[in-house]
Parts: sequence; C-alpha cells; structure tokens
Amino acid sequence: KQEVTQIPAALSVPEGENLVLNCSFTDSAIYNLQWFRQDPGKGLTSLLLIQSSQREQTSGRLNASLDKSSGRSTLYIAASQPGDSATYLCAVSGTASKLTFGTGTRLQVTL
Amino acid sequence: DTEVTQTPKHLVMGMTNKKSLKCEQHMGHRAMYWYKQKAKKPPELMFVYSYEKLSINESVPSRFSPECPNSSLLNLHLHALQPEDSALYLCASSQGWTSGKLTDTQYFGPGTRLTVL
Repeated sequence: KQEVTQIPAALSVPEGENLVLNCSFTDSAIYNLQWFRQDPGKGLTSLLLIQSSQREQTSGRLNASLDKSSGRSTLYIAASQPGDSATYLCAVSGTASKLTFGTGTRLQVTL
Repeated sequence: DTEVTQTPKHLVMGMTNKKSLKCEQHMGHRAMYWYKQKAKKPPELMFVYSYEKLSINESVPSRFSPECPNSSLLNLHLHALQPEDSALYLCASSQGWTSGKLTDTQYFGPGTRLTVL
C-alpha cells in the first residue's frame, strides 16, 4: 500500500526566503506526482505535475523535482511571499488507480 | 478555462434530510471524482466516474449516492447522514482515467462545506 509522507508538517519563514518542502513515497511504481496548495476551507489548486519519466518541472517561482527510484520529491519556492501561505500537499498516482495524498505541510510566510 | 464549480458552498442538514451536491466542469474532461476532507487531513477519495460510468467506489456507505447525468455534471445525493459525515466535499476532474491510470492533472472545485446536525 502506497504511503506518502511530507516533512515538515509546519514551517514558518520570513518573507523573501527560499524554502524546500519534502515529499516521500514508499512505492516507486508511480505514473506521476502532483503538488497542490490549499488555502483554509478552500479547494485544492494544482501547482505542478511531474510525470514519472521527468526529473523536474518549473512554474514561475516554483520548482518541483522527482527522484522516483528513491521515492522522493521536493518543491522549491523561491523568494517566498505572504501570499504563499497555505497548506501544500503532494499526491502520487500509481497502480492503486487513484491519487494518494501526503499529510501536507502548513506554510506561513511572515512579513 | 480550468474551472470546476460546486454548489452549494455551504450546506447544513439534519439527519433525516435529503440533499444533493452539484459539480460542473466545461473542460471536456471525461473523468470526475468526489473526495471527502476532514479538518487538517488530506482528501479521501470516495468515487471515480470515467466516461459517465462509475469506476471506483471506495466502500462508501450507501447514504452517499453519486450520479453522473452527463460528461459535464456530477451529483452527490445525500440521505440519512450522520454527524460524522460533516466535512468538506470536493469534486475534481481530469482529462481521462484510462484502465485505472491517472496520468493527467486533477483540477479541484472549491468544495461544499457540509454540516450534519
């Protein structure tokens, strides 16, 4: 059974700092990995999707990497802003025919 | 337009009520999903529809009844719910769901906050 873990569970950084969120998964037989952000009480916003054959994807200040063999992904956020404050979720798609979500990292960017 | 809409935004119902949640997308996606999310937990998959047919039911109690009238619309009918069913219900869609393979981005709606009294 696929298990997805995110570390740290919570993170507080000052504005302008670069930061890395981590995601690890136990079964490397995945089709893709997706990063989402969720604001309190809201739906999920897709940030990046990395197919299993890819190593990284970039969108603006966000860069996600994938090391399938070691079961790890990182989300790098450059020059963080207060508007980046949210919960970040990674999710893997694999042979279970569904997305398996991580436990999330709650990020707060302070002024 | 990568928008999934859900109505209503909030719903309060008693345990004997019957209500429905509605989800709509106009992206031409052929796979649609219902998720349940409790506070401070990740979403949990409930149902998957592929090409308007139910493909996955994650052992959801029969008091939740999904319906996919057409490729753009997904409903969740609620009846005789329990207080522990109170949660955020999220709908999502993706381009496809072929032979159980989720290879495309899932787009989520804003959710319906359900409270069962």
